[in-house]
Amino acid sequence: EVQLLESGGGLVQAGGSLRLSCAASGFTFSNCAMNWVRQAPGKGLEWISGISGSGDSTHYADSVKGRFTISRDNSKNTLYLQMNSLRAEDTAVYYCAAPGSGYEFTPFDFWGQGTLVTVSS
Amino acid sequence: EIVLTQSPGTLSLSPGERATLSCRASQSVSSRKLAWYQQKPGQAPRLLIYYAVSRVTGIPDRFSGSGSGTDFTLTISRLEPEDFAVYYCQQYGTSHTFGQGTKLEIK
Repeated sequence: EVQLLESGGGLVQAGGSLRLSCAASGFTFSNCAMNWVRQAPGKGLEWISGISGSGDSTHYADSVKGRFTISRDNSKNTLYLQMNSLRAEDTAVYYCAAPGSGYEFTPFDFWGQGTLVTVSS
Repeated sequence: EIVLTQSPGTLSLSPGERATLSCRASQSVSSRKLAWYQQKPGQAPRLLIYYAVSRVTGIPDRFSGSGSGTDFTLTISRLEPEDFAVYYCQQYGTSHTFGQGTKLEIK
């Protein structure tokens, strides 16, 4: 059974940093592209970043480019999101999501339960 | 960036009725790379449809997708009580973008 478990969320001041983690199990992590999707309170879904299985290829939404960095440690089956220069508008539940195909730019069959990031201004 | 616009924002229907949800793209979505998700309060989204028309294994056949180019539709033929939720479309042909969602509520 595929499981994705996010952690690292919390309350941080504007301008601060936070690192999210997503522990994966139940599939061959190194063969699977991974993504981060966020959802502000009461709002819709926003894809923010993706990374290939090897980690060689990364992609970002304009809203986070230059501030957030996605990475992965395939030896630990863990995905990361380093978030710097946080703003109030980054307040959201952050989900890690994986495609069933394993390929980049394919839909997300598997989702974690999400971790809440709150940025106070 | 491809912008997806979903309509209506809210759809009020009764169980047993047919629901038709629309997703319009600002430019053509390549290879019909359009997916639909269902999200219930406090839960992560669930993938329903991919490549515009293909149903995920285990999704009831009352859910169907159609469309191509810039216009896509999710149809729920006969609403069950558990179908009332928020639905999102997503294009994955050029990066990823989501629509703003349609809330399907009980009338």
